[in-house]
Amino acid sequence: AQSVTQPDIHITVSEGASLELRCNYSYGATPYLFWYVQSPGQGLQLLLKYFSGDTLVQGIKGFEAEFKRSQSSFNLRKPSVHWSDAAEYFCAVAPWGAGSYQLTFGKGTKLSVIP
Amino acid sequence: NAGVTQTPKFRILKIGQSMTLQCTQDMNHNYMYWYRQDPGMGLKLIYYSVGAGITDKGEVPNGYNVSRSTTEDFPLRLELAAPSQTSVYFCASSSADRGVEQFFGPGTRLTVL
Repeated sequence: AQSVTQPDIHITVSEGASLELRCNYSYGATPYLFWYVQSPGQGLQLLLKYFSGDTLVQGIKGFEAEFKRSQSSFNLRKPSVHWSDAAEYFCAVAPWGAGSYQLTFGKGTKLSVIP
Repeated sequence: NAGVTQTPKFRILKIGQSMTLQCTQDMNHNYMYWYRQDPGMGLKLIYYSVGAGITDKGEVPNGYNVSRSTTEDFPLRLELAAPSQTSVYFCASSSADRGVEQFFGPGTRLTVL
């Protein structure tokens, strides 16, 4: 079974600083990879996804993520954080092939932004 | 399109009571899911459905039941509510293509006292 590890429970950055949120996965092959964001009291919104091809994927709100097969990682980055980025971020994986719609989520990283 | 809607937004139950969490999507998605979210634990899949009349268990199905009589609706039933079922419940849906985005509803916050 696949698993997802987000090593950082809580990260605090200053507005305008760069951001990197870590995600490592365990799976026998390359899975489908996702980053979701959850604002307080809200549902989850997809930031970006990786299925195949270019390992650097661009998402909404200025976020990007890089898939590194050798490190089993899919880290999320943003060059300059805005106060509105304060939220909880979840990495998720789905297995390649039949049944790939079943997502496994990491435990999340809460991002705080200092004005 | 309203997307995925869930009712109610909040509910307090007493131990042993039953209730149904409603979920409706208007995107004609085949796949629908129920997750629960507990603090610091991410989301866990309770049940999912690949189409009307077809449901299957996820990671944490005990204490819950589902049905899928239409493409649009996927209600989650709690029988004999327990404090361990205090959580935030999210419904989601996706199209039949492999690995595509799941669209989430706003959630139902349930407290069992």
